[in-house]
Amino acid sequence: DGGITQSPKYLFRKEGQNVTLSCEQNLNHDAMYWYRQDPGQGLRLIYYSQIVNDFQKGDIAEGYSVSREKKESFPLTVTSAQKNPTAFYLCASSIRLAGEQYFGPGTRLTVT
Amino acid sequence: EDQVTQSPEALRLQEGESSSLNCSYTVSGLRGLFWYRQDPGKGPEFLFTLYSAGEEKEKERLKATLTKKESFLHITAPKPEDSATYLCAVQAAGNQFYFGTGTSLTVIP
Repeated sequence: DGGITQSPKYLFRKEGQNVTLSCEQNLNHDAMYWYRQDPGQGLRLIYYSQIVNDFQKGDIAEGYSVSREKKESFPLTVTSAQKNPTAFYLCASSIRLAGEQYFGPGTRLTVT
Repeated sequence: EDQVTQSPEALRLQEGESSSLNCSYTVSGLRGLFWYRQDPGKGPEFLFTLYSAGEEKEKERLKATLTKKESFLHITAPKPEDSATYLCAVQAAGNQFYFGTGTSLTVIP
């Protein structure tokens, strides 16, 4: 079955620690995205990548970093510089930069 | 300013009571409008893409329509399993995506 996987489903960290969220897709999509979802707000774009070894900042990139070394993988690191990291993080992919995006199941990160 | 507004924020329907959800948008050059369904604690599930005014798409009890300023998601004879949050997103000419905050639908048996 083709799809997008995110792991882990739940993640707990102490303040000051960096944490990496995994995102893998086997849809052969070129473009991948990271969003953050907070209650009462629309999805906000953190980073996106159109192709391997290339990525661009989204609307709220501060305190986050990404890499795209393989077409299938787009991990997101939440650094200690992110002031409000507790949120639901969603990874998505699309065939190319334009067109519908398909989402993974999400990772809920709690930082205390 | 590009933006997407969904209404109502929440909607409660009796099973079988048809209704519509609204997504109004202001973007520079619409490349596509997308509807998603999101269940609590899960990622959004893609439903429809609409590209131009007058276009319609259907899937089971759902029908999406598009005008130059808004889109409607019509739900005909809903069932309890249709309860979810429905998200609307638009893609602008520069490939930016804008998401609405969603409509939370509850269908009561």
